Amino acid sequence: GAVVSQHPSRVICKSGTSVKIECRSLDFQATTMFWYRQFPKKSLMLMATSNEGSKATYEQGVEKDKFLINHASLTLSTLTVTSAHPEDSSFYICSARLGLHGTEAFFGQGTRLTVV
Amino acid sequence: GEDVEQSLFLSVREGDSSVINCTYTDSSSTYLYWYKQEPGAGLQLLTYIFSNMDMKQDQRLTVLLNKKDKHLSLRIADTQTGDSAIYFCAESSNQAGTALIFGKGTTLSVSS
Repeated sequence: GAVVSQHPSRVICKSGTSVKIECRSLDFQATTMFWYRQFPKKSLMLMATSNEGSKATYEQGVEKDKFLINHASLTLSTLTVTSAHPEDSSFYICSARLGLHGTEAFFGQGTRLTVV
Repeated sequence: GEDVEQSLFLSVREGDSSVINCTYTDSSSTYLYWYKQEPGAGLQLLTYIFSNMDMKQDQRLTVLLNKKDKHLSLRIADTQTGDSAIYFCAESSNQAGTALIFGKGTTLSVSS
């Protein structure tokens, strides 16, 4: 079945550095991908919608200069957390929907970011 | 705006049935989903139902949809310890460019 792969699964970085997270659709093309952040109390917050070949659409309250999204091909979207701070530590998950109507939505394995 | 609500915890004994409930507010929802998340992992798509269906069964899983009340449930028959996880309900329109909206997740704990 369709698979979305996310890399890395875990990353630890120092405050002030930048971290890039990759999200790939392995056997299908995804014009649109979604980036979520999962907080300790489980809720998944949609951060942004990544659009191939155009600018991402950010949800209210999400800093676009801090969370840079690039969707350069139909199978790859990247999220870069710039100048990371400890409060950016979280579980980040990407998703892509399969097909014209996106009936099935698949998720990556998630990336656990820890900023020290 | 859209909102999806779930109870936060459910505890059952191994072999019993589990029923996880969810309510949503967006009447234009076309697809409703159930995902499973094990500790430290991503989300695994368990099943989904189209809004014009009342029920969908897939092995031990039964999804019931009451569109009038905007109520969705997931029943797991013969619950096993391996079913212990967080279960998320989500809703969406039928557009590939639209994100799913999630509930906060129900933690299912199965005791032997």
